[in-house]
Amino acid sequence: QQPVQSPQAVILREGEDAVINCSSSKALYSVHWYRQKHGEAPVFLMILLKGGEQKGHEKISASFNEKKQQSSLYLTASQLSYSGTYFCGTEGRYSSASKIIFGSGTRLSIRP
Amino acid sequence: DAGVIQSPRHEVTEMGQEVTLRCKPISGHDYLFWYRQTMMRGLELLIYFNNNVPIDDSGMPEDRFSAKMPNASFSTLKIQPSEPRDSAVYFCASRARDRGTGELFFGEGSRLTVL
Repeated sequence: QQPVQSPQAVILREGEDAVINCSSSKALYSVHWYRQKHGEAPVFLMILLKGGEQKGHEKISASFNEKKQQSSLYLTASQLSYSGTYFCGTEGRYSSASKIIFGSGTRLSIRP
Repeated sequence: DAGVIQSPRHEVTEMGQEVTLRCKPISGHDYLFWYRQTMMRGLELLIYFNNNVPIDDSGMPEDRFSAKMPNASFSTLKIQPSEPRDSAVYFCASRARDRGTGELFFGEGSRLTVL
């Protein structure tokens, strides 16, 4: 079942922060985050494996609450290069190994 | 490494024609995935393979769709006959390892337009 992402779209000014949420109705093994620029393929940002795990990637970080089956992606001091659509992908704890289902995406626009 | 290679990049065809999309995964990757992306439905998983064997094809929309992986370096996704609602970007992705520990590497996609 497809994870739910919110919000669907965000418009920020350069330097502002954003949070993108991802929730699942199923128990999760891991959460992936990807960014897709217009006309390009999705590109990997990070994987979160354990409940409560937090990972960082420059000014982009994420958390994973295993009990709530939720993950959040944090973008701080946003830059123009952060524009794009962000997808979370989930692996169910009890589903077929390696099956990654993506949410509908969050479109992030950064303005100068 | 050349990354995941897909062909063709763009395909325009007429309803009823057969369409074949091709993918070469990254060498050494054991998993290959086919996704379809549309505005309405987002990124849908169609089918994935492990060591050339189809593991889960529950996302394949209809019998008109079929996928094969005859060897570790090549996979095809075939649509026969094609319909306008099949218009989408089809992505192939590969992964080195089992669940949780390996990222997906996507190809550049094949944009299909069925008239």
